[in-house]
Amino acid sequence: DQQVKQNSPSLSVQEGRISILNCDYTNSMFDYFLWYKKYPAEGPTFLISISSIKDKNEDGRFTVFLNKSAKHLSLHIVPSQPGDSAVYFCAASPDTGTASKLTFGTGTRLQVTL
Amino acid sequence: NAGVTQTPKFQVLKTGQSMTLQCAQDMNHNSMYWYRQDPGMGLRLIYYSASEGTTDKGEVPNGYNVSRLNKREFSLRLESAAPSQTSVYFCASSDFSVTDTQYFGPGTRLTVL
Repeated sequence: DQQVKQNSPSLSVQEGRISILNCDYTNSMFDYFLWYKKYPAEGPTFLISISSIKDKNEDGRFTVFLNKSAKHLSLHIVPSQPGDSAVYFCAASPDTGTASKLTFGTGTRLQVTL
Repeated sequence: NAGVTQTPKFQVLKTGQSMTLQCAQDMNHNSMYWYRQDPGMGLRLIYYSASEGTTDKGEVPNGYNVSRLNKREFSLRLESAAPSQTSVYFCASSDFSVTDTQYFGPGTRLTVL
């Protein structure tokens, strides 16, 4: 049973436009959510996180939104750049701020075109 | 400061062979993790070590063993490799007292024939 779902395997966006990546979860015990970015032949790298006590967190071009009632989070990238082309994983943890025992989604491959 | 390192980068095994994947971190983190990544499956937790001297099973532990050798090193052993263990393996580390995320190594690509 997939507790964290990323229903879009791929997404293509033009440079300069907004990229919106979505993630849904089913386990109400999840309290802390993270987004990781992964380039080919490299390990995932941390991008941004959000605690369940917030509904929005921003870091530069990246913003994560959390809708607890819908068990849904999204990552917005504005403006999108070619270097953003990568696979993006959302992850969830039951332990606020500790990033322990993460459950990952299946990933969304983002391609930013010129 | 190398972060999390993994060896080897690539490995090809025959069914039934054994091998150990090595992982080391130089960030003085307490917790370490082993994941496998398969197409369409995301990353799945195999084993983790919350602190030196402790290990616990994750989501997919069957066919694997781990050793937390010291605070820096966490190894993953396949005693009798099977084709179903063909995957990319990632090691990660974290420490909630200093960071709210896990740091990942570059991965080991393992093929079992």
